[in-house]
Amino acid sequence: QVQLKEAGPGLVKPSETLSLTCDVSGFSISSYYWAWIRQPPGKGLEWIGSIYHDGTTYYNPSLKSRVTISVDTSNNQFSLHLTSVTAADSAFYYCARHKLYGEIDHWGQGTLVTVSS
Amino acid sequence: DIQMTQSPSSLSASVGDRVTITCQASQDIGSYVNWFQQKPGKAPKLLIYDADTMATGIPSRFSGSGSGTDFTFTISSLQPEDIATYFCQQYDILPLTFGGGSKVEIK
Repeated sequence: QVQLKEAGPGLVKPSETLSLTCDVSGFSISSYYWAWIRQPPGKGLEWIGSIYHDGTTYYNPSLKSRVTISVDTSNNQFSLHLTSVTAADSAFYYCARHKLYGEIDHWGQGTLVTVSS
Repeated sequence: DIQMTQSPSSLSASVGDRVTITCQASQDIGSYVNWFQQKPGKAPKLLIYDADTMATGIPSRFSGSGSGTDFTFTISSLQPEDIATYFCQQYDILPLTFGGGSKVEIK
């Protein structure tokens, strides 16, 4: 079955770069879109951006200046880089599979990233 | 961005009750709505897509309806395992946006 798992540091210092990787198993990353979505503890969900296997990306304009999403098809994984982080970027970060204009049908378990010195 | 206004933000109901959650979009989004269930400490789980289509393996007590700007999610008979927060999400226009969530508790 399709499984996604986020990996990366749980603590990032202010002004530094948050970097996460999503390992995909049970399904080739060479179809569907792959997204990053975040959720501050106790709050709502925010779409960060999505990538297709050919490298096509779509970003939330609210974060676009600080976000890069990349894909590594040989290792069936994709990554998130968010620069110049502040405490407002502290959240659970989820990776997910979706149709760009359709259902988000598989999610990773999520990983909590805290921005603090 | 399309705003998704979800209500109520929380509700308390008895086992067996019918529960209804609404989501209003800031503009016409056709039927391009997903509904998710999120239990504490877990990732969201897709329940409904295309406003009214049940995802695979979802119990039939969950349903969705609506089009345009007004959407409804219903649990026909609330079960103890349905305690969770429910979110709507539109995918008509990027950026993808979510409703604020509706927390469902047992009375």
